Amino acid sequence: GEDVEQSLFLSVREGDSSVINCTYTDSSSTYLYWYKQEPGAGLQLLTYIFSNMDMKQDQRLTVLLNKKDKHLSLRIADTQTGDSAIYFCAEGFDSSASKIIFGSGTRLSIRP
Amino acid sequence: DVKVTQSSRYLVKRTGEKVFLECVQDMDHENMFWYRQDPGLGLRLIYFSYDVKMKEKGDIPEGYSVSREKKERFSLILESASTNQTSMYLCASRTTGTGVHSGNTIYFGEGSWLTVV
Repeated sequence: GEDVEQSLFLSVREGDSSVINCTYTDSSSTYLYWYKQEPGAGLQLLTYIFSNMDMKQDQRLTVLLNKKDKHLSLRIADTQTGDSAIYFCAEGFDSSASKIIFGSGTRLSIRP
Repeated sequence: DVKVTQSSRYLVKRTGEKVFLECVQDMDHENMFWYRQDPGLGLRLIYFSYDVKMKEKGDIPEGYSVSREKKERFSLILESASTNQTSMYLCASRTTGTGVHSGNTIYFGEGSWLTVV
């Protein structure tokens, strides 16, 4: 079936790079998203990439897409305490407005 | 900026009560969603609306109903709340436009924490 998988936890030292990984099963997606959820809040869109792209960079964020392996990653350079949050990977489809498949989220914690 | 507003952030209700969760968006989006978020389960779609008075069941519609009488407002209704409906509920909206220019981005509200006792 359709699925998006992420590891549940990641711990990184402040100042290091964080890499959050995601794998998906449905290769017909049009968009792949990364959302950030801070404690007690809703989901905030961080960035998205079209499925025909390999990479997207936006300041400290780098998204890499490996379509062959159905693998998406989010790299956060120079990780700060404000980056502590849950990060969700998701697939979106032009073929269906209601179909958005979310992963379970990766909780990123920052060590001093 | 798109704003999706959920009127109730924290609610405590008794088993068997009728519960209304309200959501309003200000960007004239056609599509609106209600999700439920539980630890380790991610987001699960309860209901989706693609236009006024139009709705579609999501993955877990049992025990819920929805109402979309106006384009900007999408309500989630728990006819008879039960303890297994204790959760965080997230409303979201998105434009219908597809392709490069829309990005198909979905925007979320801040969430409503519901506790059923």
